[in-house]
Amino acid sequence: DTGVSQDPRHKITKRGQNVTFRCDPISEHNRLYWYRQTLGQGPEFLTYFQNEAQLEKSRLLSDRFSAERPKGSFSTLEIQRTEQGDSAMYLCASSFGLGSNHNEKLFFGSGTQLSVL
Amino acid sequence: GENVEQHPSTLSVQEGDSAVIKCTYSDSASNYFPWYKQELGKRPQLIIDIRSNVGEKKDQRIAVTLNKTAKHFSLHITETQPEDSAVYFCAASIAGTASKLTFGTGTRLQVTL
Repeated sequence: DTGVSQDPRHKITKRGQNVTFRCDPISEHNRLYWYRQTLGQGPEFLTYFQNEAQLEKSRLLSDRFSAERPKGSFSTLEIQRTEQGDSAMYLCASSFGLGSNHNEKLFFGSGTQLSVL
Repeated sequence: GENVEQHPSTLSVQEGDSAVIKCTYSDSASNYFPWYKQELGKRPQLIIDIRSNVGEKKDQRIAVTLNKTAKHFSLHITETQPEDSAVYFCAASIAGTASKLTFGTGTRLQVTL
């Protein structure tokens, strides 16, 4: 499978615990995005990387959230001290971008469904 | 920031009929408008997109139209089939923001036999 892959598919955790999700983008893609989707809503942008650099973070990304892409390939999203409001589908997407003014096609992974009890 | 509104929230059509989903956006600087199809429990899949330098694009049974003056764009599906049943999302991104997409709230399309 050469698409975007995410692990795990499902995560159930207790409030206050830390969780980490992984995303492997399409191999030739230099940009990687994290989105969050709650039931009945469209995905909401959280953050994005170009290669290893994190270029933008949404206001939705509180201090409890941290994302990394250390070698410009896979990325991790960590949520510390989880809250019930963090329950959502966390989607990763990747693209190949040529420049800041170029809007390229985004390909999504299947997501990690987080349930905080 | 950008705001995208999508209508209707649910749409039921009979197999073979056409379906139309409409979206409006707020920021005139938006220049890229993709549409995604999401089946239950699956990833959003890009089905068609349009850039602001064209007014219409077609791919087999799917077409998208863009009216930059009115800041709205629409998805048209002809000869609908049961496998078209899914949630459809429109999105927009502003020039210079890579592909940071702002999504609509989705339209649940049900194609009945």
